[in-house]
Amino acid sequence: GAGVSQTPSNKVTEKGKYVELRCDPISGHTALYWYRQSLGQGPEFLIYFQGTGAADDSGLPNDRFFAVRPEGSVSTLKIQRTERGDSAVYLCASSYRGGGSGANVLTFGAGSRLTVL
Amino acid sequence: SQKIEQNSEALNIQEGKTATLTCNYTNYSPAYLQWYRQDPGRGPVFLLLIRENEKEKRKERLKVTFDTTLKQSLFHITASQPADSATYLCALVVNDYKLSFGAGTTVTVRA
Repeated sequence: GAGVSQTPSNKVTEKGKYVELRCDPISGHTALYWYRQSLGQGPEFLIYFQGTGAADDSGLPNDRFFAVRPEGSVSTLKIQRTERGDSAVYLCASSYRGGGSGANVLTFGAGSRLTVL
Repeated sequence: SQKIEQNSEALNIQEGKTATLTCNYTNYSPAYLQWYRQDPGRGPVFLLLIRENEKEKRKERLKVTFDTTLKQSLFHITASQPADSATYLCALVVNDYKLSFGAGTTVTVRA
């Protein structure tokens, strides 16, 4: 597609529920990233995929968070047993190659705003 | 601990003036630094990248400097316009692929 597409744009859920957030990266981009942005803060790294594999998941806050990218394109971020502290904007980004080749410029989607009541 | 600090206060300037934003960092050794623009309800959009061996980079009305001794980058918007109103984020490239972002500085340009 022309840009990075994220769905849903807004999600309101109750504490304890399960949530899935979807990201459709730019066609041909092998690298995909998830970031989380809280109000008044910059984006915070969660996970990086190179192709189908999670090359770095060191930013995932705990084991309630999990992400997949089974065919090397669309990715889903999954959050189990949501807590109020999970409320934030979840941003997905993609890039042509990822690390190791010099400058790495990310193209971000508009984000999925998650509110946990 | 590692820290990235941007102007703590929002910046309000008159149209036509130059806006100068600062980004200071500690306990990082980035190979390069990026600046992004973020509008409300949107994701960040890449503006400029500067490498550690570059002192200055320009793109149209934007100028970025990078001083690895001071551990500081300055971002200038010259001849500012109301359309430049947004939040500007600096990001250090860590581990080749991971970006560490500052909290951003909100700029408002008054007509």
